[in-house]
Amino acid sequence: QQQVKQSPQSLIVQKGGIPIINCAYENTAFDYFPWYQQFPGKGPALLIAIRPDVSKKKEGRFTISFNKSAKQFSLHIMDSQPGDSATYFCAASRGGWANNLFFGTGTRLTVIP
Amino acid sequence: GAVVSQHPSRVICKSGTSVKIECRSLDFQATTMFWYRQFPKKSLMLMATSNEGSKATYEQGVEKDKFLINHASLTLSTLTVTSAHPEDSSFYICSASPWRLAHYNEQFFGPGTRLTVL
Repeated sequence: QQQVKQSPQSLIVQKGGIPIINCAYENTAFDYFPWYQQFPGKGPALLIAIRPDVSKKKEGRFTISFNKSAKQFSLHIMDSQPGDSATYFCAASRGGWANNLFFGTGTRLTVIP
Repeated sequence: GAVVSQHPSRVICKSGTSVKIECRSLDFQATTMFWYRQFPKKSLMLMATSNEGSKATYEQGVEKDKFLINHASLTLSTLTVTSAHPEDSSFYICSASPWRLAHYNEQFFGPGTRLTVL
């Protein structure tokens, strides 16, 4: 059973556009929600993360919106660039030390110049 | 900070041989490290969680006698694929969780190891 559901599977936007990737979860014990960016043949890199006590977090061009009641969170990429073309994974984990991350299925983003 | 390395980055071996993959946290101590497997265009699949000085915890369906994990120090974990077969060919990625109060659930990933078994 997929603990974190991610959509869309793939996304194509023009340069400067704002791609939005959505994730949903069921387990209310989750309290840490990171986003990872992965380029082909590389390991995932932590982009940004949020905890349930805030509804929005912005770091550079990346923003997470979090809706605790709906159990949903999303990643927005402002002013997207061709270099942002990668696969993005959302994830979630429970509170406590070093708990397992449950990953979404990934979104392949292509930014067209 | 929070750099994780893996060695080797790529390995090709013959069927039946064993392969060891090292995962190191370079600038932090990690009491917990994780090993993942990733198939092409798929998500990461957690194989096992290892804590320094204790036995690894394997996910359901992962053969612990085939995938031996050792976490000998706070900066090093190793994954040994024993008697490798072509179906073990995959991208193996480790991650490490820093022992820092403000970041207690963060995981930082290594660059991955591409294993090809002929």
